[in-house]
Amino acid sequence: EVQLVESGGGLVQPGGSLRLSCAASGFSFSTYWMSWVRQAPGKGLEWVADVKQDGTEKDYVDSVKGRFTISRDNAKNSLYLQMNSLRAEDTAVYYCARGASSGTYFWVYWGQGTLVTVSS
Amino acid sequence: EIVLTQSPGTLSLSPGERATLSCRASQRVSSDYVAWYQHKPGQAHRLLIYGASTRATGIPDKFSGSGSATDFTLTISRLEPEDFAVYYCQQYGSSPRTFGQGTKVEVK
Repeated sequence: EVQLVESGGGLVQPGGSLRLSCAASGFSFSTYWMSWVRQAPGKGLEWVADVKQDGTEKDYVDSVKGRFTISRDNAKNSLYLQMNSLRAEDTAVYYCARGASSGTYFWVYWGQGTLVTVSS
Repeated sequence: EIVLTQSPGTLSLSPGERATLSCRASQRVSSDYVAWYQHKPGQAHRLLIYGASTRATGIPDKFSGSGSATDFTLTISRLEPEDFAVYYCQQYGSSPRTFGQGTKVEVK
């Protein structure tokens, strides 16, 4: 059974940093693209970032470029999102999601999310 | 960026009724690359439809997707208690991939 379990969310002040983790199991993690998707309170879903199987290709939504870094550790079956210079508008539930072997288009598997609140 | 607008925001229906959810794109979605998801509180998002009309693995045939270009529809033929949830459309025809704001299907 595919499982994606996020952790690391919490309350952080504006300008602060936070690192999210996603523990993957039930599939061959190293053979899939992985993504982060978020949902702000009362808003729709927003794709945040993608990373290729070997970490050599990454892509970000414009609003987080230069502030967020997606990475992965295939030996640990884990996905990460380092979030720096956090803003109030980054407040959201962050979901880890599995892409395809050839890229990310839609997502079949999602985690249940971890809440990030940016507030003073 | 393609903006997806879902309507209605909330759909109040009774079990056994048919649900019709709309997703309209601000510009043509390449190759009709539209997906639909179901989300219930405390659960992971569930992929229902991709490619506008192809059911994902294990999705019952009460769920159907249709449409092309800028107008897409998710239909639930006969609502069952487990179908009351929030539904999102998503386009993956162009970058960045974008989502609609969701339609909540609630019990009338």
